[in-house]
Amino acid sequence: EVQLVESGGGLVQPGGSLRLSCAASGFTFSSYWMHWVRQAPGKGLVWVSRINSDGSSTSYADSVKGRFTISRDNAKNTLYLQMNSLRAEDTAVYYCARDSSEIVGATTTRYFDLWGRGTLVTVSS
Amino acid sequence: EIVLTQSPGTLSLSPGERATLSCRASQSVSSSYLAWYQQKPGQAPRLLIYGASSRATGIPDRFSGSGSGTDFTLTISRLEPEDFAVYYCQQYGSSAYSFGQGTKLEIK
Repeated sequence: EVQLVESGGGLVQPGGSLRLSCAASGFTFSSYWMHWVRQAPGKGLVWVSRINSDGSSTSYADSVKGRFTISRDNAKNTLYLQMNSLRAEDTAVYYCARDSSEIVGATTTRYFDLWGRGTLVTVSS
Repeated sequence: EIVLTQSPGTLSLSPGERATLSCRASQSVSSSYLAWYQQKPGQAPRLLIYGASSRATGIPDRFSGSGSGTDFTLTISRLEPEDFAVYYCQQYGSSAYSFGQGTKLEIK
């Protein structure tokens, strides 16, 4: 079955650290860019970070730059998000998502076509 | 950073009616990188439309997307009970991605 399964969420104190994992199965993980997207309780979706297929290129939202690190282990089919210096405003469900692309005519489209169910991170004292 | 503004914030309609959801970008967005997602309570988002107008696999043809530049639209031609959810537009550009704040489609 093609799926993404997140883990590693939980309760952490402000200033603490947490590492999220996203296990991929049913597809060739090493061929895809991957993302983390978060959703605070009752709020909308916010893009967090992206990594390319071999892990050589990453990008981050300004709100997490310098505190979060995205990485991947293609041998283990797993995506990671190392979160340091956590703040109350980082409280959210964190989703991993697969980035797919398609060539349409002379252009390439990109979209998130597979999502995990999410893992909840709560930052509170 | 490109900001996406969705309107209305909440749309109240009845099954069988037509829904029109708007997504406006603060600067021009490539149509190739404009997508729409549906999210139901307690569930992950689901891809509906990509490339502004292409339906994702398994998405019914009552869903359609259109637009270019800074103005994009998601249309649901005839609402089914399962369509009541929150809808997000999303864009990709210059190695950054952003989502609109969402439109909640509720039963009238």
